[in-house]
Order: sequence, then structure tokens, then C-alpha cells
Amino acid sequence: QAVVTQEPSLTVSPGGTVTLTCGSSTGAVTSGHSPYWFQQKPGQAPRTLIYGASNKHSWTPARFSGSLLGGKAALTLSGAQPEDEAEYYCLLSYSSGRRIFGGGTKLTVL
Amino acid sequence: EVQLVESGGGLVQPGGSLRLSCAASGFTLSDHYMDWVRQAPGKGLEWVGRSGNKANSYNTDYAASVEGRFTISRDDSKNSLYLQMNSLKTEDTAVYYCASLSGGKGWGQGTLVTVSS
Repeated sequence: QAVVTQEPSLTVSPGGTVTLTCGSSTGAVTSGHSPYWFQQKPGQAPRTLIYGASNKHSWTPARFSGSLLGGKAALTLSGAQPEDEAEYYCLLSYSSGRRIFGGGTKLTVL
Repeated sequence: EVQLVESGGGLVQPGGSLRLSCAASGFTLSDHYMDWVRQAPGKGLEWVGRSGNKANSYNTDYAASVEGRFTISRDDSKNSLYLQMNSLKTEDTAVYYCASLSGGKGWGQGTLVTVSS
């Protein structure tokens, strides 16, 4: 079974920019993996920020963007706000029909 | 208002069964692919399975950890999604969420399943 990897933790300054990445043990992440990005704050259900690598929902703040970068899926936060401090998860889809989450990145805004 | 509400969680002994429900309101569930996701206490998210929409004949896929034990089904008349969980193990203890990951209908609030003797 594939393993999906994320940075365990990252720190960004208020107003700064940070990129979270999502890799696959099977090789390069492509649009075929239909990458998702989710945000979860303590005590809350997750919410979907990005689907299909770069598509946003109506509630996704404009400062978040998704892309494919260097063989990985990437979530870039430009102009970090204190309320962006949260756990971020990516999800990849595989040809078997199965989907696998990454272990999550704890983002600190400090 | 678009809403997903899970129910049916509780305490069950190892080897037992439980059926979770996910009631949708504000939209037609049969039009949408739906996923079940779980989160063990203090741990990350784990994908459990997915049901395609009506046009896809509600095709299902499951994580290796639950295949053969869990079954996803729907009742269009009740606009609801279900997760039948059999042969439960202590490691199935988690909050279970239903979610419309790409359909823009969000996530439910989750229901806690505790498998313990």
C-alpha cells in the first residue's frame, strides 16, 4: 500500500508565505491522484480547502492555493493569518480506487 | 441549508456490529459521491471508503483495513448514507465522518465509535 508523506510541522510568520507538500511513495504525484487539501482546527471537523489539485470551494480563503510542484502536491498559504494555525491533511486517490491521507502537517503561525 | 448529520455511534464490544447513518439535508445525496473518514483519538485522518453517485451505480471502494468488514449503502428515499461495520476491532475506535469531498457539501460533525470490552 502506498504511503503519503507530509511535513510533520511548519512555522510561518504572520503575513508570511509557506508551502506544504504531499508526496507519494509510488512516485510523482500527478493530477490523476486528484489531490485534496483539508484544514482541521482542534475540536472541529475537517473542512475541504482544495480538490483536484488546485480547485477551491466557495469558502476557501483566497490566500490558499493548490498546485503540483516538483512531483508533489503543494498547498501554498500567502499572507498567513493567526486563524490559519491548524492541522493540514492531504489526500491522494490511487488507481485501485483507494484513497490515502497523509499524516498531516501542524502549521504554527508565530 | 446544506447539512450532513451522522448518528449511530456508541460503545460496542470487539467482534460486534454497528451501523452509522449520515442524513443529508439541503441537497440530493444521490447526485453526489460520498466518503467516510475516521479519526482515532489524538491521531490523523484515515480514509474508510467511498460510494459513487447514482449515475455511477453507487460503486464502492474501501480501505484495506476495513474491506470485507465494512459496507457502505444508501437509501435515496431517506436521503441518507450508511456505514455497516461488522467484526469490529479495538483499532476501529474513532470519530467517523461522512463527507462530500469534491461536491462542495462539506463534512458532518462526526459520531464517536468506541470498541472496547
